[in-house]
Amino acid sequence: GQNIDQPTEMTATEGAIVQINCTYQTSGFNGLFWYQQHAGEAPTFLSYNVLDGLEEKGRFSSFLSRSKGYSYLLLKELQMKDSASYLCAVRSHSGNTPLVFGKGTRLSVIA
Amino acid sequence: SAVISQKPSRDICQRGTSLTIQCQVDSQVTMMFWYRQQPGQSLTLIATANQGSEATYESGFVIDKFPISRPNLTFSTLTVSNMSPEDSSIYLCSVVTDPNTEAFFGQGTRLTVV
Repeated sequence: GQNIDQPTEMTATEGAIVQINCTYQTSGFNGLFWYQQHAGEAPTFLSYNVLDGLEEKGRFSSFLSRSKGYSYLLLKELQMKDSASYLCAVRSHSGNTPLVFGKGTRLSVIA
Repeated sequence: SAVISQKPSRDICQRGTSLTIQCQVDSQVTMMFWYRQQPGQSLTLIATANQGSEATYESGFVIDKFPISRPNLTFSTLTVSNMSPEDSSIYLCSVVTDPNTEAFFGQGTRLTVV
């Protein structure tokens, strides 16, 4: 089966750093994705990891350990606009195949 | 990348009726995917729509309830049939333009069944 776990909610302070963890157990692995979703909007792509290690993109970084079935999304210099849900998703098979999503982590950034 | 136009953006429907959601992509794609997002929940895959063949449905979803059309490589429809309040959700279409890259999403259709 497919199982992707991430915390339901997190709160962090403006200007701080927050790490959102994701663990996965899937039938196969061909990449891990992070999406941001603001309330009432479609998910937007943030990052993609297929090899172990850290991928950095501006204020956002994502880390992957395939042996541990573990990833995290790191958000630096938090801004109020970062308040959103963050979705961890795994592609189990290669090619144009769908993503399997975790339940999402609702992040609230407070002043 | 891909730009996806999905409509309607929202609708309020009476129980027992059906709603067809349209998804138009600005480029040709092999597969299109339909997801459901229930209130406060994450995305659940309903089915994969391949041009020229019947859609492949995930466990818990059936063709009679969610018929899908895929007449060409840029367009698909999802119908939510014989609706009940439990069908109130956001429905999203999604595509992958290049193998092993990210998925792109339409704006979503917010459906409320009363």
